[in-house]
Amino acid sequence: NAGVMQNPRHLVRRRGQEARLRCSPMKGHSHVYWYRQLPEEGLKFMVYLQKENIIDESGMPKERFSAEFPKEGPSILRIQQVVRGDSAAYFCASSQMDSYNEQFFGPGTRLTVL
Amino acid sequence: DQQVKQNSPSLSVQEGRISILNCDYTNSMFDYFLWYKKYPAEGPTFLISISSIKDKNEDGRFTVFLNKSAKHLSLHIVPSQPGDSAVYFCAKGGGSSNTGKLIFGQGTTLQVKP
Repeated sequence: NAGVMQNPRHLVRRRGQEARLRCSPMKGHSHVYWYRQLPEEGLKFMVYLQKENIIDESGMPKERFSAEFPKEGPSILRIQQVVRGDSAAYFCASSQMDSYNEQFFGPGTRLTVL
Repeated sequence: DQQVKQNSPSLSVQEGRISILNCDYTNSMFDYFLWYKKYPAEGPTFLISISSIKDKNEDGRFTVFLNKSAKHLSLHIVPSQPGDSAVYFCAKGGGSSNTGKLIFGQGTTLQVKP
């Protein structure tokens, strides 16, 4: 009974490159959430997705960031033209339908932008 | 607009004693509160939660108290153990819009000394 899986665990990019972060939810979970943790801060909500639908993207920066959760395969958080300020830990969480508050987190992807 | 605040960045207690972690919140009527524990380089792990219709919830060594009039909640760990040393985040979920977004505090680093 695997938990939430994220890969890669560590990702290094140079300024201007693209970063793709992947998240596979727990088995039986249809809701995925992405959070970002900047150094010395708490986790900040970015986006909430269900299969093929973005439900709430109120925490996503308006430019360069996008997320999807296709019918098949993992959820992807994509950051285009990365900048140093994008360096952070990105956590994915998943939940069952109708259990929005019981979110289980993955180990995170630590993005470093050089 | 910080809806969840943890004003103590760190706390140190002796093994066997009580640890009390505090959290203040704003803007809630029918909310749901959660505590997560986080070790370095890992994702947050759910600990305990409480609905705003209750004022106490207990699970083993962990008890969460909710004071709605003061908009304050606290997590008590008794007795504290060295393995409890971690960062603790309180989070607010639920609400009438129920978008699935969790709002986290900044975290409190607990150190339990043997």
